[in-house]
This record gives sequence, structure tokens and C-alpha cells, in this order.
Amino acid sequence: IAGITQAPTSQILAAGRRMTLRCTQDMRHNAMYWYRQDLGLGLRLIHYSNTAGTTGKGEVPDGYSVSRANTDDFPLTLASAVPSQTSVYFCASSDSSSGDYNEQFFGPGTRLTVL
Amino acid sequence: GQNIDQPTEMTATEGAIVQINCTYQTSGFNGLFWYQQHAGEAPTFLSYNVLDGLEEKGRFSSFLSRSKGYSYLLLKELQMKDSASYLCAVRDSNYQLIWGAGTKLIIKP
Repeated sequence: IAGITQAPTSQILAAGRRMTLRCTQDMRHNAMYWYRQDLGLGLRLIHYSNTAGTTGKGEVPDGYSVSRANTDDFPLTLASAVPSQTSVYFCASSDSSSGDYNEQFFGPGTRLTVL
Repeated sequence: GQNIDQPTEMTATEGAIVQINCTYQTSGFNGLFWYQQHAGEAPTFLSYNVLDGLEEKGRFSSFLSRSKGYSYLLLKELQMKDSASYLCAVRDSNYQLIWGAGTKLIIKP
């Protein structure tokens, strides 16, 4: 693994189903993020985690949950998918201890369609 | 509320120079980022400004004026591969990134 991986690459899901999007990083970054990207809108933060064992709500957290059991993994769960959750989902990570830019590095994204 | 404004789309010619503007109104300011995103791909980091002035990185430069809530990304010697969306993001007082909707740059030969 190099950087951040996400799975699946794409998924079509029936409304009401439960779905977990996976995200794994191998850079030992302390902070991780989940965004959704919709046409005409900027990236919107769903949930974040500043360090393993802690999570926080972003701008659009409703209908989503996350966990951060260890440094590397940050799964995003949709408990009961709705069509408005159709989007491209990006996982990102950053190293806030680097003292530099602390830029975020992004995974390749998951394209989710809820019917 | 927090707001980041960028033009939706710009067109430029191969070999030319283009300037993409970004204005922002956020609760606090802890740096401004520019990212590049090719269609169907993930955003990748281009530049970071936290102090006023110009940061140059090869063909790309980024400028910041904190008093005006304004930044621009300058791309020189445009190449076809520069066709992409350019995202402006501001790190707010909570150290979270607030993102603009992005500017789609179309390069014509």
C-alpha cells in the first residue's frame, strides 16, 4: 500500500441498505477525514478524527457514522442509505505533528449511487 | 456563515498564462490551500499560503492578501495536462478546511 486506499471504487446500493466505505492509510498520519463531493459544491466534511480513538462531526454528519480503532483505518458507515447520499466520497489524511503545511492527502474516492 | 468563491469555469490557450481568483469569508484563518483535481481523480496539493505575498513553485504561483480575503493561483506556460479543476480551501479557526466549489480550467490548443 502506498498512501491512502479506499474500497469499493464504486457501488450501487438500494435505499435502506447499510453500507460501509473503507479507508486505509499507511503514512502513520494522525488525522483522517471523510468528505463528499457533489457537482457544483465544494468538498463537504462529513466526519473527522484527529487521532486514533477520537472522532468529530463535520458540516454534514447526519446519516453517517465513523470509528477510529487504530491509526490506519477510518471506515464510514451509512446506516440506512437514502438517494441524497448519492455522491463521490473521499477519504483524506494529514500529519498535524509535522509542523509544516499539514496538507491533506486524498484517497482515490468511492462513487456511490443510492437508488 | 463561511464562504469561498471561485469562478465556475475558465478557458485559456496552451502556452499562455491564467489567473484563478478565490475570495473567502471564514471564521478565522489558518492558511489557504490550492489543490488540483483532474476529472475522476482525487485532489492533489499544489500550494499553501499563510502570510501575505506570493509563493512560487515552478510554473505555479499563489498569492494571498489576508486583509482583502483574497487569493489567486497563477499558472504560466499552460500545458494541455493543466486542464483540471482547481480547488481553493481555507483552514478555519477549528483547523478544518472550508472548500470552494472549484474552477474548471479548459486549455485549448
